[in-house]
Amino acid sequence: DTGVSQNPRHKITKRGQNVTFRCDPISEHNRLYWYRQTLGQGPEFLTYFQNEAQLEKSRLLSDRFSAERPKGSFSTLEIQRTEQGDSAMYLCASSLEVQIWGSISGNTIYFGEGSWLTVV
Amino acid sequence: RKEVEQDPGPFNVPEGATVAFNCTYSNSASQSFFWYRQDCRKEPKLLMSVYSSGNEDGRFTAQLNRASQYISLLIRDSKLSDSATYLCVVNGRNTGGFKTIFGAGTRLFVKA
Repeated sequence: DTGVSQNPRHKITKRGQNVTFRCDPISEHNRLYWYRQTLGQGPEFLTYFQNEAQLEKSRLLSDRFSAERPKGSFSTLEIQRTEQGDSAMYLCASSLEVQIWGSISGNTIYFGEGSWLTVV
Repeated sequence: RKEVEQDPGPFNVPEGATVAFNCTYSNSASQSFFWYRQDCRKEPKLLMSVYSSGNEDGRFTAQLNRASQYISLLIRDSKLSDSATYLCVVNGRNTGGFKTIFGAGTRLFVKA
């Protein structure tokens, strides 16, 4: 399977505990994104990486959230001191950005199956 | 105002009907546009890109109007299997950096 893979797929944790999700993007993709989605809403952007560099973080990403992509390949999203409001599906996605004459081309995003977090 | 807004739905249509979804975006610097489909408790999957000239893929037709900052998706001859949430996606750079923004989605129910 050469798609985006995420694990664990489901995580139930007690409030206050730390959790970590891992994402393995499509191998040739240089961009990796994290989104969060709750029921009835579209995916909300959290952060993204261009290779190993984290280029943008959403205001939604509080100090309890940290993401890394140490070698420009897989990424981890850690949530410290989880709260019930953190319960959501955490989606990882990847894309291949190709810049042609300063314009973005072919930046289709492919998602993993998501990691469901339930904080009790 | 949200950066990407879609019809709230849900749309309930009989099989064979034609249904249209609308989407507006606020960032005039947006560069690329997509429609994604999401089934219940599954990840979003690319349905089709949206090009300025409009494009068609079987029963699906997407249109882009940059002047009005408006995107549409038309589904003809609806099938039961078309029941899903359709997400409008807008991609482009702004002062805050790169942005790929999803709409909240429009839910479609196709009934027999």
